[in-house]
Amino acid sequence: EAQVTQNPRYLITVTGKKLTVTCSQNMNHEYMSWYRQDPGLGLRQIYYSMNVEVTDKGDVPEGYKVSRKEKRNFPLILESPSPNQTSLYFCASSPLPPGASAYNEQFFGPGTRLTVL
Amino acid sequence: AQSVSQHNHHVILSEAASLELGCNYSYGGTVNLFWYVQYPGQHLQLLLKYFSGDPLVKGIKGFEAEFIKSKFSFNLRKPSVQWSDTAEYFCAVSVYSGAGSYQLTFGKGTKLSVIP
Repeated sequence: EAQVTQNPRYLITVTGKKLTVTCSQNMNHEYMSWYRQDPGLGLRQIYYSMNVEVTDKGDVPEGYKVSRKEKRNFPLILESPSPNQTSLYFCASSPLPPGASAYNEQFFGPGTRLTVL
Repeated sequence: AQSVSQHNHHVILSEAASLELGCNYSYGGTVNLFWYVQYPGQHLQLLLKYFSGDPLVKGIKGFEAEFIKSKFSFNLRKPSVQWSDTAEYFCAVSVYSGAGSYQLTFGKGTKLSVIP
């Protein structure tokens, strides 16, 4: 089954304790990205990646890191989480970036609800 | 950097009413424009997209949007809404960021409630 998986789905942690949210897709997609969704603020892109070893900052990259060592995986790393990073996080992938004329859809993971105390 | 403004936070309509949701963006260069919908408890789903050509684009579920370049606008319309259109709607713009990649920026969203 074609899908994007994220783990964990729920996480409660404390300020300053490093954490990683994993994201994996089995569709051989080139483009992957991370978003956070907050009430009243919509979705905001954190980082995106067009290919292995190629990552770019989105609108809100501060406090986050990513890596793309393999095409299928795109982990999100919070080195020192803070309460303002409490949010719902989505990973997404697509065969083409959202600007290519044949772009049609991004496939979203189920989301990770993170609470930082 | 680009930004996207959606004018209405929450819109309430009766079934069969016409819908227009406003979206304006700020960016001086070439953009690609999208409308997404998020039904309660579900992921975002692409409604329609504009890349070039006819500024009036038609999407799924009877939605359409018009790109007016001079106004930096991309408003979403539907002639007659249904209860099942109750959802949150997001306008988004993608901008070329180099090396074949694009950055995607969303508006804050508009909640649509349709009353039967």
